[in-house]
Amino acid sequence: NAGVTQTPKFQVLKTGQSMTLQCAQDMNHNSMYWYRQDPGMGLRLIYYSASEGTTDKGEVPNGYNVSRLNKREFSLRLESAAPSQTSVYFCASKLNSGGNEQFFGPGTRLTVL
Amino acid sequence: QKEVEQNSGPLSVPEGAIASLNCTYSDRGSQSFFWYRQYSGKSPELIMSIYSNGDKEDGRFTAQLNKASQYVSLLIRDSQPSDSATYLCASLKRGSGTYKYIFGTGTRLKVLA
Repeated sequence: NAGVTQTPKFQVLKTGQSMTLQCAQDMNHNSMYWYRQDPGMGLRLIYYSASEGTTDKGEVPNGYNVSRLNKREFSLRLESAAPSQTSVYFCASKLNSGGNEQFFGPGTRLTVL
Repeated sequence: QKEVEQNSGPLSVPEGAIASLNCTYSDRGSQSFFWYRQYSGKSPELIMSIYSNGDKEDGRFTAQLNKASQYVSLLIRDSQPSDSATYLCASLKRGSGTYKYIFGTGTRLKVLA
C-alpha cells in the first residue's frame, strides 16, 4: 500500500515548455486534489476532483489543466510553463465519506527558468 | 482578508514548555478544522481534527475550537525539539461534489533544546 505517489520528484523547465505531473493513490479514495505551496503563501488549491471524470477549479487554476481518467489517477498539466509556476506541488486524496483526513503525496518541486 | 489566518512566526519555545499556536477563520459556515504538521521539505501530515466547540486532547496535543470567536488553537505540551516544524491550520468547506480544504499560511515552531 503506497498511499499517494507523485512523479517526478524534481523538474526544471524552461519558460514555455509543457509538462504533466502525475499523481496516483491506491487507497480507493474518491476525492483528489492538487495544491501548490509557495513560501509565505501556505497551500493553495489548484483543482480538485470528487470522482472519476469530474474536476473543479480551486483558488488558483489559471495556467493549469487537470485530468481524472480513472479513480486512481489525477494528473496536472502545465501547457506553457511560466516562472510564476515555480513551486512545490502536492497531490492529496480522501474518501468522500467516513472521515475527513486528507493524505498527501511527497510533492514535486518544479522550477521554471 | 484570507479565510484562514495564522501568524507566520517563528514561535520559539524552550524544550518542555507549552507551545500555543493560533488560527482565526472568517467563514462562519465552516464546521471542521484541522491541524497539519509539516517538516521542512516534507508533505503535511494530519495531527488533530476538531469539529465541535471545546477542547480535544490527543497525547501531548490539545486542539481548541471557539466558533463564536471564530478561533482555533493547538497546544503542544512538553514541547520537544522534534516538534519543530510548520503547523498548518485548515478549515473544511463544501465544494462541488466533495469537500475542499482552506489552509492558512502556517506557523513555524522552533523548540529550543
